[in-house]
Amino acid sequence: QEKVQQSPESLIVPEGAMSSLNCTFSNSASQSIWWYQQHPGKGPEALISIFSNGNKKEGRLTVYLNRASLHVSLHIRDSQPSDSAVYLCAVSANYNQGKLIFGQGTKLSIKP
Amino acid sequence: GALVYQYPRRTICKSGTSMRMECQAVGFQATSVAWYRQSPQKTFELIALSTVNSAIKYEQNFTQEKFPISHPNLSFSSMTVLNAYLEDRGLYLCGARDISYEQYFGPGTRLTVL
Repeated sequence: QEKVQQSPESLIVPEGAMSSLNCTFSNSASQSIWWYQQHPGKGPEALISIFSNGNKKEGRLTVYLNRASLHVSLHIRDSQPSDSAVYLCAVSANYNQGKLIFGQGTKLSIKP
Repeated sequence: GALVYQYPRRTICKSGTSMRMECQAVGFQATSVAWYRQSPQKTFELIALSTVNSAIKYEQNFTQEKFPISHPNLSFSSMTVLNAYLEDRGLYLCGARDISYEQYFGPGTRLTVL
């Protein structure tokens, strides 16, 4: 069974600084890795996904994937108070299925 | 845009009773629907995955007898929690996937069991 671990459990970052979140997974054959943002009282919302080794950038978000070390990280540049939320890392075991394995989440707080 | 609605948003039921929750995909055709549960202090666990034209597949620790699911068309799914007890409380999420494999989640149904 695939395992997904996130760190840190919670993170406080000053407004305008870089937020860095980490995720490790147990199966190098995992297909896609997704990052979701969840605000209180709402369902998770997809932010960015990555499939290939290397990095991917979308706006203020950059994600790095290293399959050899089973590690993926999410970096939020110029963090804003509206970025405060729980961030979930999710791994898709099989691209043809809708099954995602979620990490336990990182609670990010951006301080003005 | 693609949206997923879930109903009800919150529900309370007495121990030993059952409750039904619904999931509606709007703005896209859902090729698969996954039901997850987030129990207190835990992350999201997959309950079952329902794909069009395939049998519903339940994960270990979850059964059709306890969580029967209906997926009659590409935009609607419902799940019932039968004989609910304290350990069934939590946030139940519906995730619907479109043809580009992106998964959209609803806001969840929060179940409290008394």
